[in-house]
Amino acid sequence: NAGVTQTPKFRVLKTGQSMTLLCAQDMNHEYMYWYRQDPGMGLRLIHYSVGEGTTAKGEVPDGYNVSRLKKQNFLLGLESAAPSQTSVYFCASSLPGTRGSEQFFGPGTRLTVL
Amino acid sequence: AQSVTQLGSHVSVSEGALVLLRCNYSSSVPPYLFWYVQYPNQGLQLLLKYTSAATLVKGINGFEAEFKKSETSFHLTKPSAHMSDAAEYFCALNTNAGKSTFGDGTTLTVKP
Repeated sequence: NAGVTQTPKFRVLKTGQSMTLLCAQDMNHEYMYWYRQDPGMGLRLIHYSVGEGTTAKGEVPDGYNVSRLKKQNFLLGLESAAPSQTSVYFCASSLPGTRGSEQFFGPGTRLTVL
Repeated sequence: AQSVTQLGSHVSVSEGALVLLRCNYSSSVPPYLFWYVQYPNQGLQLLLKYTSAATLVKGINGFEAEFKKSETSFHLTKPSAHMSDAAEYFCALNTNAGKSTFGDGTTLTVKP
């Protein structure tokens, strides 16, 4: 049981390049989330999904797109990377329905945009 | 609107001393509250959660938190700090839509 895994762990991009971050979970969770973490700003929700084929915008969605084609995978795309997107990105998943469900986090992807 | 405020972005204690990390919340519905811990270069992991049962919640690694509705607080404590407790701690509040609102985090330093 690997829990939540993220690929890649590190990446350096040049301004304007694109990339996709992959998140996979093996806990059969319905809900999945993408966050970014910046110093002193906690975690900010980028996009989330409440089930296969559904996505929704979070607090800071601009410049990012997501897809949830399979229940176990949640992809985060950067179409044209900007230095402001330098951050650590975390994926998480949780059970649906109850507000008492905690989130399970992946190890993070450290992205630098030059 | 729902929000979480963590008082003090950095807390430093000596090994063996009491740890107190403060969290206040604002919620229009009965709150479901969580504390997560993040060790360096890792993701967040759950320490404990409050889901409207007992107001004193015990978690892993000797941590506990008390829910106080009158003070809208959910402070995290540990009687005796250990070097291995050095990490960043996040308080979080779950919303109706399956999302969480996180505080800005408190970095705990433990001095030998």
